[in-house]
Amino acid sequence: SQQGEEDPQALSIQEGENATMNCSYKTSINNLQWYRQNSGRGLVHLILIRSNEREKHSGRLRVTLDTSKKSSSLLITASRAADTASYFCATELYNQGGKLIFGQGTELSVKP
Amino acid sequence: DTEVTQTPKHLVMGMTNKKSLKCEQHMGHRAMYWYKQKAKKPPELMFVYSYEKLSINESVPSRFSPECPNSSLLNLHLHALQPEDSALYLCASSQESDLRGTGELFFGEGSRLTVL
Repeated sequence: SQQGEEDPQALSIQEGENATMNCSYKTSINNLQWYRQNSGRGLVHLILIRSNEREKHSGRLRVTLDTSKKSSSLLITASRAADTASYFCATELYNQGGKLIFGQGTELSVKP
Repeated sequence: DTEVTQTPKHLVMGMTNKKSLKCEQHMGHRAMYWYKQKAKKPPELMFVYSYEKLSINESVPSRFSPECPNSSLLNLHLHALQPEDSALYLCASSQESDLRGTGELFFGEGSRLTVL
């Protein structure tokens, strides 16, 4: 069964709007990471949040983690057309360092 | 240098061929990974090498054979593949990989494999 599920599967917004993506997982984790992938390309790391952290910021990105609900959210503020990509959450399973399991992903489309 | 380089970018092979995918990093990372990604799906973990030793094998069929000749190089040897093995194969590296945590992964651009 999948460790990570993402919601929504697809999201279409206008430039300047905010985009929120959610991730839920099933088992205890060391950390949760968010990655971005442009079509057919490699993945790019965006942000890592450890299991003892609740919120993290990086530029226009804000990530929250609620370990009691086993969920995380990624907020992209003031979106740009260049943010169009697939976004994946990935959970590193507790005490299984190296085992990074990806969620199903959210396809974000930002229209100019 | 923060690059992970994968070759070839594209590979077409028959079911009886033997081929290899190669991955190289010069960031001094001690952990390297192979992931497989089908279209519109998330990457699936295949193998993890930590300090040149295989630490995770996610029950991958033996027609996929990983090799880590040194800390900078990672190969994936392919033999007797099936058409359903056609996918994007992604290599990644990280500084370390231990039970306490791994940190961010740096991915290559992938090798797109087509099995005829």
